[in-house]
Amino acid sequence: GENVEQHPSTLSVQEGDSAVIKCTYSDSASNYFPWYKQELGKRPQLIIDIRSNVGEKKDQRIAVTLNKTAKHFSLHITETQPEDSAVYFCAASLPDKLIFGTGTRLQVFP
Amino acid sequence: AAGVIQSPRHLIKEKRETATLKCYPIPRHDTVYWYQQGPGQDPQFLISFYEKMQSDKGSIPDRFSAQQFSDYHSELNMSSLELGDSALYFCASSVQGRGGYEQYFGPGTRLTVT
Repeated sequence: GENVEQHPSTLSVQEGDSAVIKCTYSDSASNYFPWYKQELGKRPQLIIDIRSNVGEKKDQRIAVTLNKTAKHFSLHITETQPEDSAVYFCAASLPDKLIFGTGTRLQVFP
Repeated sequence: AAGVIQSPRHLIKEKRETATLKCYPIPRHDTVYWYQQGPGQDPQFLISFYEKMQSDKGSIPDRFSAQQFSDYHSELNMSSLELGDSALYFCASSVQGRGGYEQYFGPGTRLTVT
């Protein structure tokens, strides 16, 4: 079945620096890759996504890249702010479900 | 904008009891997904429904069952509860199922089994 690996598990950055989280997936049938931000005890919130026919997508300070050949996709956050601190999950889609990575706890220090 | 609604938000049960979790998807969303999230873990897919039919099944124990009704709301029924069932249970909904569509999560039901 589909397996999604996510690195790093924790990431600490200074406010204003960039943060990069990387994921790899195993099932070449996956064609949709969302990223979720989850604060403690709250719901996962969709922050950006990318489909397999696109190599890069950007939304303000957030960007996602996809290398379908290598089965890698990454989340880039620029100019980080303390409110970016949360757990970030990547996911890969298969029909009728998402398979999540194990999460990255991002801490942004003022 | 209307979001996914889950009830109850918190539930405390004893071992061997039963629990029913409810999910009301975003209007016009026809696909519902259930996920279980343990402390410090990623959400684990349990089961999904598209147009009231089960569309996929993940790591859902045989003690659990679920269905989607004609109004597209879904219920997750959990029997013979065990301590290990304590977790956050999220429902998500999307339009047109079949993967590749944004899934929006509800606020979750925190189930505590004592």
